[in-house]
Amino acid sequence: GAGVSQSPSNKVTEKGKDVELRCDPISGHTALYWYRQSLGQGLEFLIYFQGNSAPDKSGLPSDRFSAERTGGSVSTLTIQRTQQEDSAVYLCASSLERSYNEQFFGPGTRLTVL
Amino acid sequence: GDSVTQMEGPVTLSEEAFLTINCTYTATGYPSLFWYVQYPGEGLQLLLKATKADDKGSNKGFEATYRKETTSFHLEKGSVQVSDSAVYFCALSGSGNTPLVFGKGTRLSVIA
Repeated sequence: GAGVSQSPSNKVTEKGKDVELRCDPISGHTALYWYRQSLGQGLEFLIYFQGNSAPDKSGLPSDRFSAERTGGSVSTLTIQRTQQEDSAVYLCASSLERSYNEQFFGPGTRLTVL
Repeated sequence: GDSVTQMEGPVTLSEEAFLTINCTYTATGYPSLFWYVQYPGEGLQLLLKATKADDKGSNKGFEATYRKETTSFHLEKGSVQVSDSAVYFCALSGSGNTPLVFGKGTRLSVIA
């Protein structure tokens, strides 16, 4: 079946612009996660959605970052007023509710802020 | 908070050599442990996992045993191939569906 998909695969933007990154999880997966992968910081958790519960936003680095998940499926990560330090690969993952947390990752969106 | 420490790379081995990548963790309770692999130009893939003490995860010739007494989950393979060249990440997760905590990754290069 289809895996986790993300779009766009690459995004180049100018400092100060807003960007939206999209994630389509595996059908039937109730949990959805966003991570960021950068050279200096490795893999960092950003935000986590589980079913209809309030999202865990504890990993968001600033209030310029937000995410929503519509209809328990597709998620959009929004970064407002992008800064150069936001340049990274943004990864989305999804998992079943009870799967010992086996997360399936998408290919990522590479964001470059000029 | 929870954390994962893995050996820094890069690691360069000749084909058919034995591989060990060390991973230790700090966590409350009984986390699940994972190894993920990222091949060049590709996304993260789950390589193997272990959900309780003394479990051994294995896949594609790789193995790792969940050692609670030493809080370790070292990755091993008896004979590496060029196709194993990738970045390997050790990770843990607390109970339930919680975000993964990753080590910084170890880059492995296998030369023919």
